[in-house]
Amino acid sequence: DVKVTQSSRYLVKRTGEKVFLECVQDMDHENMFWYRQDPGLGLRLIYFSYDVKMKEKGDIPEGYSVSREKKERFSLILESASTNQTSMYLCASSLGGLNTEAFFGQGTRLTVV
Amino acid sequence: DAKTTQPNSMESNEEEPVHLPCNHSTISGTDYIHWYRQLPSQGPEYVIHGLTSNVNNRMASLAIAEDRKSSTLILHRATLRDAAVYYCILIPFGNAGNMLTFGGGTRLMVKP
Repeated sequence: DVKVTQSSRYLVKRTGEKVFLECVQDMDHENMFWYRQDPGLGLRLIYFSYDVKMKEKGDIPEGYSVSREKKERFSLILESASTNQTSMYLCASSLGGLNTEAFFGQGTRLTVV
Repeated sequence: DAKTTQPNSMESNEEEPVHLPCNHSTISGTDYIHWYRQLPSQGPEYVIHGLTSNVNNRMASLAIAEDRKSSTLILHRATLRDAAVYYCILIPFGNAGNMLTFGGGTRLMVKP
């Protein structure tokens, strides 16, 4: 079974803290994604990576950065967490090329207080 | 980027077929039509995808209009476990990677 694993299911952080959300996939997928999901706003793409060290901004990259040093791991970084970054964060991966089926992790519910 | 339009919500009775529509009038020739669904408290999961021809798999069928400006996801016999938000997405093939961008989706409610 393809597995996309997010490091935490629930996280509480303080305003101004640096926050790392980690995502690991075990299927040698080329593409990895970070989304946030908020009620009424649906799933919004933050960042996308199609190869190691490669990244593309999604629809809402402001306040976030990403790191992909190894193929299997894609990290989302909140340099200085703010309360408006309280959200559900979802990571996904896909093989790429003709095979575009994406697999999602279970999500990390981040609360910034 | 080509966008999709879906109804906000639909209701179905258990054991009956469900037809979930999606309009994508600005679709380009290299866009694949994908459907995902998101069950409560879970990440989205892939359902089906197609390019021009109708497609079937164990979960659902995808009917694509001849002009590709619309498509319909068909659940042949809805169950309570099919209650979810269904997303219709266009994924362009040929770019570096395959960026996956979600719209609002259709919330399907299934009545016993």
